[in-house]
Formats: sequence, C-alpha cells, structure tokens
Amino acid sequence: KQEVTQIPAALSVPEGENLVLNCSFTDSAIYNLQWFRQDPGKGLTSLLLIQSSQREQTSGRLNASLDKSSGRSTLYIAASQPGDSATYLCAVSTNDMRFGAGTRLTVKP
Amino acid sequence: NAGVTQTPKFQVLKTGQSMTLQCAQDMNHEYMSWYRQDPGMGLRLIHYSVGAGITDQGEVPNGYNVSRSTTEDFPLRLLSAAPSQTSVYFCASSPIGSYEQYFGPGTRLTVT
Repeated sequence: KQEVTQIPAALSVPEGENLVLNCSFTDSAIYNLQWFRQDPGKGLTSLLLIQSSQREQTSGRLNASLDKSSGRSTLYIAASQPGDSATYLCAVSTNDMRFGAGTRLTVKP
Repeated sequence: NAGVTQTPKFQVLKTGQSMTLQCAQDMNHEYMSWYRQDPGMGLRLIHYSVGAGITDQGEVPNGYNVSRSTTEDFPLRLLSAAPSQTSVYFCASSPIGSYEQYFGPGTRLTVT
C-alpha cells in the first residue's frame, strides 16, 4: 500500500526566505506526482505535475523535483511572500491517487 | 467553463439520515473521483469512475455508494449517515491518461 509522508507538518518563515517542503512515498512505481495548494476552507489548486519520466517542473517561483528511486519529492519556493501562506499537499498516482497530510506554511510579513 | 462544481457547500445531517452529494464537471473528463479530508490525514479516496457506467472502490468506500450514468455527473450517496462520516468531501476529475486532477470547492458535512 502506498504511503505518502510530508515533513514538516507546519512551517513558519519570514517573508523573503527561500524554503523547501518535503514529500516521501513508499512505492516508487508511480505515474506522476502532483503538488497542490489549499487555502483554509477552500478546495485544492494544482501547482505542479511531474510525470514519472521527469526530474523537475518549474512554475514562477516554484520548483518541484522528483527522485522516484528514493521515493522523494521536494517543492522549493523562492522569495516567499505572505500570500504563499497555505497548506501544501503532495499526491502520487498509481492506480489511484494517494495524498500526504500536507505542510501548513505561514509566511510572516 | 465552470470546472468542477459541488452542491451543497454545507450540510448537517442526523445519524441515520441519507443524502446525496452532487458533483458535476463540464470538461468532458472521463475520470472522476470522491475524496474525504479529515484533520491531519490528508485526502482519502472513497470511490472513483473511469467513465459512464464504470465505478470502483477506493481506500475508504464503506458507507458510500456512487453511480455514473453520464460523463458529467458523479453523485455520492450516504445511505445511513454516521458521525464518523463528518468530514469535508471533495470531488475531482481528470482526463484519462493525464492524472492531473481538478478539484471542486468541497462540501462540509456534519453528522450529529
């Protein structure tokens, strides 16, 4: 059974700092990995999708990497802003999609 | 495009009552799914469908039924609500082969 773990569960940083969120998974036979953002009381917004054959994807200040063999992905956020405050979830797809519990990020002005 | 829509946004039920959570998408996606989100546990898959007339169970299917009579709609039925089903429910869709899922805004369900 695929298990997805996100560390840390919560993170607080000052504005402008670069930061890394971690995601690990137990079964490397995945189709892809997806990073989502969730604002309080809202649904999920897809940030980046990395196919199993890819090593990384970039969108603006966000960069996600994938190391399938070690079962790890990282989400790098450059020059963090208060508007980045949200919960970030990673999910891996095999026959279905399994989610981590998320990292709650707070960026302080 | 409205994307993925869910109704209602909030619902309170008493134990033993039944109800249907509605989900619709206008993107002609073959794959649709239902998740529940509980504090500290991330999202867990309840049921999914790869096309009209085809459904399958996910990780936590007990207490829930689904059907898929059209590509657009994928309702989730609670036959006899229990307090353990208090949760936020999300519907999602994606094109087959893409696996990039689009989520609805969620339904917050409380069972007393």
